[in-house]
Amino acid sequence: ETGVTQSPTHLIKTRGQQVTLRCSSQSGHNTVSWYQQALGQGPQFIFQYYREEENGRGNFPPRFSGLQFPNYSSELNVNALELDDSALYLCASSPGLAGGGTDTQYFGPGTRLTVL
Amino acid sequence: GEDVEQSLFLSVREGDSSVINCTYTDSSSTYLYWYKQEPGAGLQLLTYIFSNMDMKQDQRLTVLLNKKDKHLSLRIADTQTGDSAIYFCAERSGTGRRALTFGSGTRLQVQP
Repeated sequence: ETGVTQSPTHLIKTRGQQVTLRCSSQSGHNTVSWYQQALGQGPQFIFQYYREEENGRGNFPPRFSGLQFPNYSSELNVNALELDDSALYLCASSPGLAGGGTDTQYFGPGTRLTVL
Repeated sequence: GEDVEQSLFLSVREGDSSVINCTYTDSSSTYLYWYKQEPGAGLQLLTYIFSNMDMKQDQRLTVLLNKKDKHLSLRIADTQTGDSAIYFCAERSGTGRRALTFGSGTRLQVQP
């Protein structure tokens, strides 16, 4: 069974640019959640996708957007990058409603984004 | 709103037990989780507990839940140097979205 994978591992961008981060969910999982983890902090929820539809959003501006594809992989797009966007971006997949009550989220290794 | 609090740092000697504490505010929390994060890595799920349980044991890990006080703890028996990491408590609300709310993490340092 393949776990959650993310690409790229590291990324350096300059302020104002746009970035796309990618996530492949664990086999059998139809739900993907994205989190932002600033240095020294716990992860903060950005949004969640279930069967290609957004299923909840955290307190992030509209320049953070996402997609989920028919194979349940997902993208996180961030436009007009700001210095404060520098963080570890974590993707988590879960079985969704099909997984019963726990719907436990399993995390990928993350993408470290540095904005200069 | 939802809030999860953890102490920042814990230092123990190898072979001792470690107890990491967490408090949360959302009374509708259904599941509570413990994740481990090693330097430069993602989050590894350690264990979880359903809100109608008081205790869950999984090998060296024991989770205790006091729902009245909204207090969760993770005990690691026979702590090893490989247990050195940051431990995150997270809760999932029973209402609405299935997002996790995390604490700021407790850094566990295990001294040989």
